[in-house]
Amino acid sequence: ILNVEQSPQSLHVQEGDSTNFTCSFPSSNFYALHWYRWETAKSPEALFVMTLNGDEKKKGRISATLNTKEGYSYLYIKGSQPEDSATYLCAPYNNDMRFGAGTRLTVKP
Amino acid sequence: KAGVTQTPRYLIKTRGQQVTLSCSPISGHRSVSWYQQTPGQGLQFLFEYFSETQRNKGNFPGRFSGRQFSNSRSEMNVSTLELGDSALYLCASSFTGVEAFFGQGTRLTVV
Repeated sequence: ILNVEQSPQSLHVQEGDSTNFTCSFPSSNFYALHWYRWETAKSPEALFVMTLNGDEKKKGRISATLNTKEGYSYLYIKGSQPEDSATYLCAPYNNDMRFGAGTRLTVKP
Repeated sequence: KAGVTQTPRYLIKTRGQQVTLSCSPISGHRSVSWYQQTPGQGLQFLFEYFSETQRNKGNFPGRFSGRQFSNSRSEMNVSTLELGDSALYLCASSFTGVEAFFGQGTRLTVV
């Protein structure tokens, strides 16, 4: 069973601010790491799947990095917009996917 | 391509009853996983089915069970409902077992 920690638990930023959050996980038996965005009243939506140490993925203003040796991943949002408001979940995959509690991001106009 | 469909979307049950939730995965996906989310908790893994076999199981009591049919549709059953079972139940389907696509969930309220 993987122990996944995400920080901070919640974050309030102004529109235009850049922000980042952390996902920590045990580095042993690592296979892949997922990032999901979960907006209220919707399904969690996959952002990235990362597998290799040093991996960096980008989708628009959102990017993520992965360090499998030390067991962490960062998610960055550049120039936050109100539509980025959501809960961001990370989930290491090792035979199955176990989620962190998430970081709840609120972007104020 | 149709997404993951969960039925019903909302359900109210009484303590002691049992409930069955359904999940139809994306066509071609053979893996279905179930998760529970309660207020203040992250998504807690219940179990995963692949080709009609339970492949992995989380730390939930035996009152929580599931099954998967030959068409990959899956059902989750909770017997002897308790107030603490009130939660959003999500299922996710996957082709490879790695990248998962979620349904919109079933909101279960136990009164």
